[in-house]
Amino acid sequence: DTAVSQTPKYLVTQMGNDKSIKCEQNLGHDTMYWYKQDSKKFLKIMFSYNNKELIINETVPNRFSPKSPDKAHLNLHINSLELGDSAVYFCASSRDSSGEAFFGQGTRLTVV
Amino acid sequence: SQQGEEDPQALSIQEGENATMNCSYKTSINNLQWYRQNSGRGLVHLILIRSNEREKHSGRLRVTLDTSKKSSSLLITASRAADTASYFCATDSGGSNYKLTFGKGTLLTVNP
Repeated sequence: DTAVSQTPKYLVTQMGNDKSIKCEQNLGHDTMYWYKQDSKKFLKIMFSYNNKELIINETVPNRFSPKSPDKAHLNLHINSLELGDSAVYFCASSRDSSGEAFFGQGTRLTVV
Repeated sequence: SQQGEEDPQALSIQEGENATMNCSYKTSINNLQWYRQNSGRGLVHLILIRSNEREKHSGRLRVTLDTSKKSSSLLITASRAADTASYFCATDSGGSNYKLTFGKGTLLTVNP
């Protein structure tokens, strides 16, 4: 069983489109995250949720909207995609705010 | 602002040799963690060291932490070709700050 699974793995779409990435964890963790990894492999936090509540929104454009229907899921919806949104997006979860994080396999988003 | 900086950015060694990677950070931390990322994959947690610890071992991994210098090192002994990956340090500041701040990573290549 995959601990943190996200879909799709690859996403190629045109500028201006709206797309969603789904994430699910079966670890029973309370905290979930979205990270963005750019072309230089730099990882930056986008959002973190604890018990379905938004904790951190790290100056992410409003076009990005996370949704947590329950503690096991954290989806990411992106409106009006731009070329600069091309990156690898990672979902992760952890038991608490400072422990080991478990990452999904990533979603490689390419905006053309 | 970016918290961690790893050096070197890239390291190439022969199988059997030891690999040392360093990480520096800027502000006070609660924990420091090291992660591995194989090409095209998600991050895998390697080891966590708390701010009141100075050294930690796990198998062939040895991590040190010097809070006075705001730096950490990861030593991989008797390296194997399978250790080829990018290695990232990540810090958290504890409390209700639900995020890991990652460094830029070190790309380790272990040649057979």
